[in-house]
Amino acid sequence: GDSVTQMEGPVTLSEEAFLTINCTYTATGYPSLFWYVQYPGEGLQLLLKATKADDKGSNKGFEATYRKETTSFHLEKGSVQVSDSAVYFCALRKGDYKLSFGAGTTVTVRA
Amino acid sequence: DGGITQSPKYLFRKEGQNVTLSCEQNLNHDAMYWYRQDPGQGLRLIYYSQIVNDFQKGDIAEGYSVSREKKESFPLTVTSAQKNPTAFYLCASSPRDRAHMNTEAFFGQGTRLTVV
Repeated sequence: GDSVTQMEGPVTLSEEAFLTINCTYTATGYPSLFWYVQYPGEGLQLLLKATKADDKGSNKGFEATYRKETTSFHLEKGSVQVSDSAVYFCALRKGDYKLSFGAGTTVTVRA
Repeated sequence: DGGITQSPKYLFRKEGQNVTLSCEQNLNHDAMYWYRQDPGQGLRLIYYSQIVNDFQKGDIAEGYSVSREKKESFPLTVTSAQKNPTAFYLCASSPRDRAHMNTEAFFGQGTRLTVV
């Protein structure tokens, strides 16, 4: 079945450092790919998405490119802030079926 | 504003009691989902429903029950058969029509259930 494998954390960075979280997927066909963010005690919010190969999703300085040849959707941000401390989830959805989530990566940014 | 509302935000349950978590959406979405999240863990699917009056078990359905009598509502009951119910519960919804295939799910703010 469809699945997502996400880089394990936790990840601890200093402010203004470069962040990358790896995400690879297994799926037949052409799923859509998502990154969600969860702040402490809250639900998940959509951070960015890409619906077809070579699409780049971007939001709040974060970017991820849908790479079909490597089945990857790595999340990057060039200069993180303390407010980016959160748990990040990679996910995929194909058609009208349910989402498949990665295990989540906890990111802590220190001032 | 459109969205998903979960209530209550915090819930305490005595051992042996059933409790029901509420999830309401006004996004006109056909599909709704319940996930469980344990500390430092990812999301595990409990139940999902793709249409009114129909639902399917997810990966960890034992000890839980759901109903889907209305499109807007998908309550989750945590029964006394659930051996370790203390967790953070998240409800989500997504559209299923042809125009919104492959679209994202929208999440509520969660309910934190604690067994005392």
